[in-house]
Amino acid sequence: AQSVAQPEDQVNVAEGNPLTVKCTYSVSGNPYLFWYVQYPNRGLQFLLKYITGDNLVKGSYGFEAEFNKSQTSFHLKKPSALVSDSALYFCAVRVPYGGATNKLIFGTGTLLAVQP
Amino acid sequence: EAGVAQSPRYKIIEKRQSVAFWCNPISGHATLYWYQQILGQGPKLLIQFQNNGVVDDSQLPKDRFSAERLKGVDSTLKIQPAKLEDSAVYLCASSSGTGGYEQYFGPGTRLTVT
Repeated sequence: AQSVAQPEDQVNVAEGNPLTVKCTYSVSGNPYLFWYVQYPNRGLQFLLKYITGDNLVKGSYGFEAEFNKSQTSFHLKKPSALVSDSALYFCAVRVPYGGATNKLIFGTGTLLAVQP
Repeated sequence: EAGVAQSPRYKIIEKRQSVAFWCNPISGHATLYWYQQILGQGPKLLIQFQNNGVVDDSQLPKDRFSAERLKGVDSTLKIQPAKLEDSAVYLCASSSGTGGYEQYFGPGTRLTVT
């Protein structure tokens, strides 16, 4: 079955420290992977995606993600966390229906808490 | 560019009542999605439209949920009759591609069924 897993319900980090939010995937074929962020009472916002090419993908707000095919992982990273980064983060994988249509399957989310 | 609009933002109803949610996608986006997000879980796709045709409604509880996208623009999602377990945030999203690329989400409608 094609799926995505976020093993941590919550990640706590001090402001200024590096952060990592973990994601692993299971998909047939080449994976298309995404990270979204959700602030309280808001919809999801796109952060970044991996389609092909360089394994290190840079996105919005200073975030980046590293694609690792051998470990089937796509961890979200930031060199220096800000209190304003505190939010719910979702990893997602594209699953094809067949033909040209696809859908996204989301992980269960990881709550990032950045302490001042 | 205006984002995805949804209304209402909040709705409280009693079980067995009916409710409808409205979504207006980003102009020109052919693909529209409705998701259900239960507290503590990731969004679950209920239905996906490509223009005004249904691409996937395999996770839509068709005995009580219905959705339509007339003229390939805005969409409504209806629940009739509602159950307690329908309490969730209902998110609408749109994308310009045929699914699976950047999706742009609306603010959601928080439904509470009592």
